[in-house]
Amino acid sequence: GQQLNQSPQSMFIQEGEDVSMNCTSSSIFNTWLWYKQDPGEGPVLLIALYKAGELTSNGRLTAQFGITRKDSFLNISASIPSDVGIYFCAGLNYGGSQGNLIFGKGTKLSVKP
Amino acid sequence: NAGVTQTPKFRVLKTGQSMTLLCAQDMNHEYMYWYRQDPGMGLRLIHYSVGEGTTAKGEVPDGYNVSRLKKQNFLLGLESAAPSQTSVYFCASSYSAGAIYGYTFGSGTRLTVV
Repeated sequence: GQQLNQSPQSMFIQEGEDVSMNCTSSSIFNTWLWYKQDPGEGPVLLIALYKAGELTSNGRLTAQFGITRKDSFLNISASIPSDVGIYFCAGLNYGGSQGNLIFGKGTKLSVKP
Repeated sequence: NAGVTQTPKFRVLKTGQSMTLLCAQDMNHEYMYWYRQDPGMGLRLIHYSVGEGTTAKGEVPDGYNVSRLKKQNFLLGLESAAPSQTSVYFCASSYSAGAIYGYTFGSGTRLTVV
């Protein structure tokens, strides 16, 4: 089945640093979504991307839909402590057999000790 | 603004016991999903429903059953719980098959099977 490779698996952030993560697939997707999960909560949608090359921002977060339609990137600028959590990418291929979202395994952001 | 509500939030079961997890949504969404989340495994789809009265298997359906008798409710059943089913379970719903607004998730049910 389709799989998304999300990297890095985990990273430590220091307040004020910029953060980057990405998601790649061997298949083409029509939609890319980025979710954040706070500890003890369900994932919440951050950004949705619908066109190849699209760049969309939500506050300090910026996500891009890769030109090849096989990847997506999420950047967080000037990180703050409340950015910690797990970030998931998700892709959708309308032509897929199920038409369900495919999720990456997540990037866990923690504060540097 | 309830969104997706899951009950219970926590549960401890003994091996072999049965239980039902309830998911309710008030957004008139057609599609509903059950996922399990395990460390390092991300979100794995158990079962889903594309409308009232329909259900379909996802990636990891074994050991679970589901029912969607009413549009707003999606039930996940464990007939004979096993320690391997210790996990956090998330219900989600969407207007359509993942497009436009993505999925809305509940806050999860943490299940421990001993």
